[in-house]
Amino acid sequence: DVKVTQSSRYLVKRTGEKVFLECVQDMDHENMFWYRQDPGLGLRLIYFSYDVKMKEKGDIPEGYSVSREKKERFSLILESASTNQTSMYLCASSFRTSGVNEQFFGPGTRLTVL
Amino acid sequence: EDQVTQSPEALRLQEGESSSLNCSYTVSGLRGLFWYRQDPGKGPEFLFTLYSAGEEKEKERLKATLTKKESFLHITAPKPEDSATYLCAVQAWYSSASKIIFGSGTRLSIRP
Repeated sequence: DVKVTQSSRYLVKRTGEKVFLECVQDMDHENMFWYRQDPGLGLRLIYFSYDVKMKEKGDIPEGYSVSREKKERFSLILESASTNQTSMYLCASSFRTSGVNEQFFGPGTRLTVL
Repeated sequence: EDQVTQSPEALRLQEGESSSLNCSYTVSGLRGLFWYRQDPGKGPEFLFTLYSAGEEKEKERLKATLTKKESFLHITAPKPEDSATYLCAVQAWYSSASKIIFGSGTRLSIRP
């Protein structure tokens, strides 16, 4: 079975703190994704990566950065957390082929910024 | 504009009462359509991939079908443990890259 794990289930941070969210997958997937999910707004793509050291902006990259130093690990960084970044953060991974690529999700990190 | 619309937003059923959830889409270059189940406070769990119109997939009490404009997730004789939010997503192909577009989900509640 595909397994995607995220470093924390719940996280509480203060405004202005630097926040690291880590994601690890064990299926040798090339693609990895970070989404945030908010009530009424659905899943919104923040960043994705299709290879080590590669990254692409998604629909809402402002206020975030990412790092992918190893194939299995993809980190989301909030340089200076703000209250409007309180959300559920979901990591996903998939194969990179020219066909159909199902994404598999981690359990999510509920981040609260005070 | 490419988009995925799910209806209804919320659905409450009695245990054993069958129904369907709808996912309509307007995308060019459809590659595949996915259904996910999401329990509160958890990440989405992959259920099905449908590749072309006319295709059907089944898993326990769930059956997903696909036409050229929409997909249905039929739930037969549901049980309370089927309560969850069901997400639909499509993979569309644009010149040199593909993108996955998610719907906003249907919140399904099954009363015992």
